[in-house]
Amino acid sequence: GAGVSQSPSNKVTEKGKDVELRCDPISGHTALYWYRQSLGQGLEFLIYFQGNSAPDKSGLPSDRFSAERTGGSVSTLTIQRTQQEDSAVYLCASAPPSRSYEQYFGPGTRLTVT
Amino acid sequence: QKEVEQDPGPLSVPEGAIVSLNCTYSNSAFQYFMWYRQYSRKGPELLMYTYSSGNKEDGRFTAQVDKSSKYISLFIRDSQPSDSATYLCAMSARAGGTSYGKLTFGQGTILTVHP
Repeated sequence: GAGVSQSPSNKVTEKGKDVELRCDPISGHTALYWYRQSLGQGLEFLIYFQGNSAPDKSGLPSDRFSAERTGGSVSTLTIQRTQQEDSAVYLCASAPPSRSYEQYFGPGTRLTVT
Repeated sequence: QKEVEQDPGPLSVPEGAIVSLNCTYSNSAFQYFMWYRQYSRKGPELLMYTYSSGNKEDGRFTAQVDKSSKYISLFIRDSQPSDSATYLCAMSARAGGTSYGKLTFGQGTILTVHP
């Protein structure tokens, strides 16, 4: 079946602009995660959506970052007033019900802030 | 100190060798242990997951967890050039815990299997 999809695959933006990154999880997966992968920091957790529960935003690095998940499916990660340190690969993952540890990742969005 | 430590390598082995990849961790709340494989410019791919201590085998791959030592391993038998990738260990706390579902990753080990 179809895996997790993300768009765009690459995004180059100027410092100070806002960007939106999209994630389409695997159908039937109730949990959705955003991670960030950069050279110096490895893979870092950002935010976690589980069904209709309030999201766990504990990994968001600043209030410039926000995410929403509409209809329990598609999610959008928004970064406002981008900074050069936001340059990274943003990865989305989804997991089946009751198996949140079993996460399947999308190909990622490579964000470059110039 | 990071919660999960993983030697970044790089590790280079000849085709057919047995590869051993390892991670140590400090958080005793971790109950689920995963290994991911990541090819260049691709997302991580789940290879195996294990709950609590013990061994799990899947084809050429064997995962071991020793919770008493806070040490996990992935063994690859009869390694192939197609196994060349970055291998990431990841861990999650038990269901109901505050960290449940969030994966904490090691830095990844870069593996090259040469023909």
